[in-house]
Amino acid sequence: GIQVEQSPPDLILQEGANSTLRCNFSDSVNNLQWFHQNPWGQLINLFYIPSGTKQNGRLSATTVATERYSLLYISSSQTTDSGVYFCAVYQGGSEKLVFGKGTKLTVNP
Amino acid sequence: DAGVTQSPTHLIKTRGQHVTLRCSPISGHKSVSWYQQVLGQGPQFIFQYYEKEERGRGNFPDRFSARQFPNYSSELNVNALLLGDSALYLCASSFDSQETQYFGPGTRLLVL
Repeated sequence: GIQVEQSPPDLILQEGANSTLRCNFSDSVNNLQWFHQNPWGQLINLFYIPSGTKQNGRLSATTVATERYSLLYISSSQTTDSGVYFCAVYQGGSEKLVFGKGTKLTVNP
Repeated sequence: DAGVTQSPTHLIKTRGQHVTLRCSPISGHKSVSWYQQVLGQGPQFIFQYYEKEERGRGNFPDRFSARQFPNYSSELNVNALLLGDSALYLCASSFDSQETQYFGPGTRLLVL
């Protein structure tokens, strides 16, 4: 099956810093989603982005489907950005979302 | 509109017991998926149901089963619980399969 790799596994920032999280996938995909999992376990949708670039406030994402990667940018990070960021993909013909292992982000005040 | 809801929020069981977890999708969503997340890992797909029919099944033993009701709510059943079944169980809904999935808050299951 498709493999999803995220990097870095852990990231520690000072408040106000910028960061880039990367998601590589091993095969063509129909859909890609970025999620933020807060400390209580809730998975929050950030982006549905099979290709192209989207922005939402301080967050933006870019997916280059032909090169099989996606990037999540966080600017001017805040302590509330802390948590685990997951990317997940649907492979063609499959009904399941395949998740990476996540990037654990810690933003210190 | 309310988001995806799950019950119960927490559950403690002993080995060999049976458990039923419940999920109500976002109004208008016809697809429900179940995922298991163990500590330190990403969620793993268990089942997807669409219009009360199973659309997909992950690599889980037959002890795991699910169903979807006419109102699109869903139940996940796990029989003969093992210690390794301790995890966060997440339900997600979407309007159709392979569309954006929205997750509920999860049920934390601890098997002793």
